Amino acid sequence: NAGVTQTPKFRVLKTGQSMTLLCAQDMNHEYMYWYRQDPGMGLRLIHYSVGEGTTAKGEVPDGYNVSRLKKQNFLLGLESAAPSQTSVYFCASSYLTGIDEQYFGPGTRLTVT
Amino acid sequence: LAKTTQPISMDSYEGQEVNITCSHNNIATNDYITWYQQFPSQGPRFIIQGYKTKVTNEVASLFIPADRKSSTLSLPRVSLSDTAVYYCLVGLRGGSYIPTFGRGTSLIVHP
Repeated sequence: NAGVTQTPKFRVLKTGQSMTLLCAQDMNHEYMYWYRQDPGMGLRLIHYSVGEGTTAKGEVPDGYNVSRLKKQNFLLGLESAAPSQTSVYFCASSYLTGIDEQYFGPGTRLTVT
Repeated sequence: LAKTTQPISMDSYEGQEVNITCSHNNIATNDYITWYQQFPSQGPRFIIQGYKTKVTNEVASLFIPADRKSSTLSLPRVSLSDTAVYYCLVGLRGGSYIPTFGRGTSLIVHP
């Protein structure tokens, strides 16, 4: 039981490049989330999904796209990376939404130069 | 939607009890209170959840007064390994609104 895993752990991009972050969970959770964390800013919700095939915007969705083609996977895409997207990205999943316990992955540290 | 307020930072020493208070003046009747802990370079992890009075587990205790407008996370006899950021969240279990994490409280435990 691996819980929530994220790929890759680190990445450096040049401005304008694209990439996809992969999140996978093996707990059969319906709900999945993508957050970004910047120094002194706490976690901010980018997008989330309430089930396979569904996605919704969070607090800071601009510049990101997501897809949930399979229940266990939630992909976060950056089509044209910008330095402002330099951050640590965390994926999480939960059985229910709202205040229900979220299980977090180890994070992906992304630097855009 | 319940907004939470907690101190930005706290300092303590090994062996002391640490109490972190979170204010949530507009908490709704059916809202729960949840605390997460985040160590450096790791994702947050759930530590405790409560609705009223007192909840205790192997990690911490959560005290909630009768009016539920605040809550206190209590860490007994902290060690250096308790240095982390602690987040207070308020919301419905299974509700459609996803509570925000905010900046949390950065606890530094000194030798």
